[in-house]
Amino acid sequence: AQKVTQAQTEISVVEKEDVTLDCVYETRDTTYYLFWYKQPPSGELVFLIRRNSFDEQNEISGRYSWNFQKSTSSFNFTITASQVVDSAVYFCALSENTGNQFYFGTGTSLTVIP
Amino acid sequence: DSGVTQTPKHLITATGQRVTLRCSPRSGDLSVYWYQQSLDQGLQFLIHYYNGEERAKGNILERFSAQQFPDLHSELNLSSLELGDSALYFCASSPLWGTPAGYTFGSGTRLTVV
Repeated sequence: AQKVTQAQTEISVVEKEDVTLDCVYETRDTTYYLFWYKQPPSGELVFLIRRNSFDEQNEISGRYSWNFQKSTSSFNFTITASQVVDSAVYFCALSENTGNQFYFGTGTSLTVIP
Repeated sequence: DSGVTQTPKHLITATGQRVTLRCSPRSGDLSVYWYQQSLDQGLQFLIHYYNGEERAKGNILERFSAQQFPDLHSELNLSSLELGDSALYFCASSPLWGTPAGYTFGSGTRLTVV
């Protein structure tokens, strides 16, 4: 069965600090996809990244970076030099190869204090 | 604007009532997915339709039903509403069935049952 665990329920950091959000997943599929979404207070789900199981390259996009490690079934997300606008709930999600549904973690609420 | 339109944005109704949530997928997308985000259950997959046919069911209550019409818009019907049905309901669409590529979420309908 597929499962996504985000052990960090809430994190608070001071502006300009770096912060890493953890995501651990479980799946028996050999082909799967991992995602991160941001949910600001307004409520919409903002897509951040998609990574397939065959691509273990880390990715950097501006202040955001992602570390995918199949050996530990983890897909962690780091925000460098955090800003107040980064305050949101962040969800990690897993999709099987069929793409029929996403399995979401419980989310990590990030508060960046000015 | 993600291209996925959900109406209404907010809905307040009384227990025992029935409501219909509407989703218009992104132009050209054949798949529509419904998710429920509640405080106690998190983000959960409800149901998936592809080109008018039901393809997958998740944790959808029997009081809930959905359909996808020939013009590809979808409706989620919630009946005999209970306080616990208060949640944010998301619709997502994707071009095909069988890949999570292009999976796009709408901005959600916030349902409050009083």
